[in-house]
Amino acid sequence: IAGITQAPTSQILAAGRRMTLRCTQDMRHNAMYWYRQDLGLGLRLIHYSNTAGTTGKGEVPDGYSVSRANTDDFPLTLASAVPSQTSVYFCASSRERGTEAFFGQGTRLTVV
Amino acid sequence: AQSVTQLGSHVSVSEGALVLLRCNYSSSVPPYLFWYVQYPNQGLQLLLKYTTGATLVKGINGFEAEFKKSETSFHLTKPSAHMSDAAEYFCAVSGGGSYIPTFGRGTSLIVHP
Repeated sequence: IAGITQAPTSQILAAGRRMTLRCTQDMRHNAMYWYRQDLGLGLRLIHYSNTAGTTGKGEVPDGYSVSRANTDDFPLTLASAVPSQTSVYFCASSRERGTEAFFGQGTRLTVV
Repeated sequence: AQSVTQLGSHVSVSEGALVLLRCNYSSSVPPYLFWYVQYPNQGLQLLLKYTTGATLVKGINGFEAEFKKSETSFHLTKPSAHMSDAAEYFCAVSGGGSYIPTFGRGTSLIVHP
């Protein structure tokens, strides 16, 4: 089934640990995004990539890094997790800038 | 810069009643506008979108929205609510130099029997 796959679906992580959230799409979309969803705050952009090989910072990039080595994969890394990074993380992609975004099912991360 | 304001974090309606979810946007260029729906423990899925052309756009599940440039609004409506419409709804705008989607804070639609 075409779409976006995120892994893991949920994770409990000790503070200070490193964690990579995986995101893979098979739609050959150029643009990819990482958002975090927190109650009352909606979705906030962490990082984005308009095309393979390029990345940019969103609204809340601190403590996170991304890479875009190819079209399909867009992993998000937390170098040293902190409790404030407890959230639901969504990866999304769009065919090109301005078109609708397609979302993965999310990763629920709890940092303790 | 672009932004989205959704009025009302919660909207409660009776089954069969009109649904109206409000969205106002700001954008320095003609915007692309979207409504997404999120069911519990799921990702977001597109309800409808406005890019160019007809300002009244129809989406899935009987929803529609009208782009009003003079009011910078893109309100979502449905004539008759169904219990299955209970979900979180997000308005989003993209435009400007980066065309990255910016989301509102969401409105939780509650449908009473």
